[in-house]
Formats: sequence, structure tokens, C-alpha cells
Amino acid sequence: QVQLVESGGGVVQPGGSLRLSCAASGLAFSSYGMHWVRQAPGKGLEWVAVISYAGTNQYYADSVRGRFTISRDNAKNMLFLQMNSLRVEDSAVYYCASGDIAAAAPLDHWGQGTLVTVSS
Amino acid sequence: SYVLTQPPSVSVSPGQTATITCSGDKLGDNFASWYQQRPGQSPVLVIFQDTKRPSGIPERFSGSTSGNTATLTISGTQSVDEADYYCQAWDRGTSVVFGGGTKLTVL
Repeated sequence: QVQLVESGGGVVQPGGSLRLSCAASGLAFSSYGMHWVRQAPGKGLEWVAVISYAGTNQYYADSVRGRFTISRDNAKNMLFLQMNSLRVEDSAVYYCASGDIAAAAPLDHWGQGTLVTVSS
Repeated sequence: SYVLTQPPSVSVSPGQTATITCSGDKLGDNFASWYQQRPGQSPVLVIFQDTKRPSGIPERFSGSTSGNTATLTISGTQSVDEADYYCQAWDRGTSVVFGGGTKLTVL
């Protein structure tokens, strides 16, 4: 069964950095695109970024482009999100999810999420 | 930017049919997916490619589209179906858009 386990969340000051990780098991990780999606407390889902199965293509939401970087290590079945220049409005639960970069591709498996709080 | 519009809330009596809509001006050209998020839990995919149901999702969940509107239908709604539901589509194949979410209440 597919398991996605996020880690790395915590409390950080505005302007700070944080690196999130997502450990994948139960799927052919190197064959899947991977996403980060976030959800602010009491709010809806907001897509953050996606990376292709080989890591050669990355796309970002306008709200994080230039500040966040998505990457992966297929040898270790790991997905990462480097978050720099963090803002209060980046506070959210961050989920990793599997899903290809394709117009028909859903986000088919989700992790349990890791909470990021940006506060002074 | 691309916007998907959902009603904020829908109420249904147990055993009745719940209908949740998602409208977007490019939905007619893009596939829609639907996710269920129960309180305190992660989202779960319940419908993809407009009408397909992943394995393990009950048959009472179905999806349809008409023009620029996608619809999630839950037949014989049960109390366990009470959750937030989100539609999702791709925008130009390079970004993902979610609807604002619909809170389904089973009264």
C-alpha cells in the first residue's frame, strides 16, 4: 500500500527557511510525478508545486515561485520542498501527493501532512 | 488565473442524493478530479478523469460533466460522507487548480 510521510515542519520566523521532506513507499517512486499542496488553517487546498518523475520539470504556483524549490531523490524515494523567504501567509499544513504532470492526471495518493507555522 | 467555483455548502438527508457542482470556463476542455477530506484527515481521491472511480471508492460516488460544469453525485448519502469536497483541474498542463471546497452536511 502506498505511504507518503511528510516531515520537517515547524515554527519559523518571517524571512526564514525550512526544508520539508516526503518519504515514499509502496509505489514505483521514480515513475511518478510528485506534488506539494498546502492548506492554511480552516481554509481550502492550495497547490504549491509539482516535479516530473525524473526531476527534469518543475512548476510552481505564482505565490511561491522564486521562493520555494521542489526536488527529489529517486534513489532514496524522497521528495523535498525548500522554502525560503517565508511569509506569515505561508503558514499551513503541507501535503505531498503523487500524480503525473498531465492534464488527465489526478493527485492519487496523499500524505498526512506536516504543519508549518511562520510567526515572529 | 484559472478559477473553479463550488458552492460553499450542501446539505442532504441520509439516504438521499447529494450533488456538488464545480464550474470553470476551461472545464469543458480539461478533466476534473474530486477529493474528499473528512475533518482532521488528508484528502482522498474519489473521482478522476471526470467520471472514473478509484478502487476502493464506493459505487455511490459518481462524476459527470456538462459544458463547463463538473458534478459530483453521492447516491444514498451516508453519515460517513459528511466531509469537505474539492474539485481540481489542470491549467495549461503546468499548474493545478482546486475549487474552494464544498462542505457536505448530512442532516
